[in-house]
Amino acid sequence: NAGVTQTPKFRVLKTGQSMTLLCAQDMNHEYMYWYRQDPGMGLRLIHYSVGEGTTAKGEVPDGYNVSRLKKQNFLLGLESAAPSQTSVYFCASTDRAGSGGSNEQFFGPGTRLTVL
Amino acid sequence: AQSVAQPEDQVNVAEGNPLTVKCTYSVSGNPYLFWYVQYPNRGLQFLLKYITGDNLVKGSYGFEAEFNKSQTSFHLKKPSALVSDSALYFCAVRDIGASGYSTLTFGKGTMLLVSP
Repeated sequence: NAGVTQTPKFRVLKTGQSMTLLCAQDMNHEYMYWYRQDPGMGLRLIHYSVGEGTTAKGEVPDGYNVSRLKKQNFLLGLESAAPSQTSVYFCASTDRAGSGGSNEQFFGPGTRLTVL
Repeated sequence: AQSVAQPEDQVNVAEGNPLTVKCTYSVSGNPYLFWYVQYPNRGLQFLLKYITGDNLVKGSYGFEAEFNKSQTSFHLKKPSALVSDSALYFCAVRDIGASGYSTLTFGKGTMLLVSP
């Protein structure tokens, strides 16, 4: 099993450009998450999904959109990139986020995005 | 909302000495607590979790954590540090939203540096 994979690994954008980050998991997990990691701020939740066709906002959703058309994929979109979105983006998944579940999450390797 | 705090940005320890990385939490109800480790340019890896039961939880790579309800703490420990333990460590707590599904809230992280 590959676990959680992310594409691309690195990307440089100019302000105003758009892009989509792809997260894929092969563990048949129901729940998927997008985080951003910034120095001194830990990981902050952007959006998440509790199943195919569902999405929900996290702590810092502004400027991002997501889609979960297939259970194994979770896409993060930036419609008009800004320098404040320079960050490392992590995707995670779990099968234990339902009632009583522990929510132990499995993480991808990350995407390093720079917006100039 | 649930939260965790990691009061130390960095912990320095000599190889062979015991190490402690601190975490305190603020929750309503019973806490589900986690420790994750991040090696350079990698995603987060699960180390251990506390849900219920024994206050001393054992995890991967020889790490353990002590849950202390009266002090609302969940400190990560290892009896003898290795240089290879040098990494960024995150404490996290499960948070349940109005929908009944859960997310994780992370601390800001503590950099552990183990010197030879």
